[in-house]
Amino acid sequence: DIQMTQSPSSLSASVGDRISITCRASQTINSYLNWYQQKPGKAPNLLIYAASSLHSGVPSRFSGSGSGTDFTLTISSLQPEDFATYYCQQNYDIPWTFGRGTKVEIK
Amino acid sequence: QVTLKESGPALVKPTQTLTLTCSFSGLSVSSTGLRASWLRQPPGQAPEWLARIDWDEDKFYSPSLRTRLTISKDTSKNQVVLTMTNMDPVDTATYYCARMPVGGVNAFDIWGQGTVVTVSS
Repeated sequence: DIQMTQSPSSLSASVGDRISITCRASQTINSYLNWYQQKPGKAPNLLIYAASSLHSGVPSRFSGSGSGTDFTLTISSLQPEDFATYYCQQNYDIPWTFGRGTKVEIK
Repeated sequence: QVTLKESGPALVKPTQTLTLTCSFSGLSVSSTGLRASWLRQPPGQAPEWLARIDWDEDKFYSPSLRTRLTISKDTSKNQVVLTMTNMDPVDTATYYCARMPVGGVNAFDIWGQGTVVTVSS
C-alpha cells in the first residue's frame, strides 16, 4: 500500500493567516493526489484534485501544488469557516489511501 | 443534482454480516464512467477506502479486507450494495459511499451523508 504522511497533524492559526499543509507519499504518485476538508459530523468535501486543480465552487484562497511524492495544500487567508480537518488522498494505485489528517484550529 | 444516501443497520453483533445500501439519485449506477466506492471512518481517524464497483461491473477491493467484502449493484433500484462478513468491534465506524468519475474530476467528488455502524454484543 502507498503510505501518505501528512504534517503537521494539527496547527493553530488566526483568521487571515496563510497556512500550508504537506503530504508525502511513500512512492511516486505523479499528480494523483486529492485534498479534502472535513467538518465534525459531516462527510469529507473535495477541495483540490489532481494535485493542483480547484474543484468547482471551492474558494480561490485554496491552492494545491506538487508532484511525484511531495504535495502542499495552501490556504492564502484563513477564514472562520476553514477551521476543520484536512486530508490528502492518493488515487494512483489501489488501495486508495488517505493521510491521517491535519486539524486546523483557531489560535 | 446527484445525491447519494447510505442506509443499513446502526447496530450489529460480532460475527454477523453487515449489509449497506447506497441509493443514487440523479444518476444511474450504470452510467458510463461511474465508479462507486465504499469508505469508512472510525471515530477520530482518517477515512479508509474499502471497495469500488465501476459502470462496467469491474470490482476492486482493499487487500486487507478482500476476504470479507462484496460489492454489487442493483440496477433496478439504482443502488450499490456492500456486504461485510464477520463483523468485529474494530469495524465500528461511519460508512460512506462516494462517487469518483472517470476523467475530469478524478476524485471523490460526491459523498453520501454516511451511516454510523456500531459493532457490539
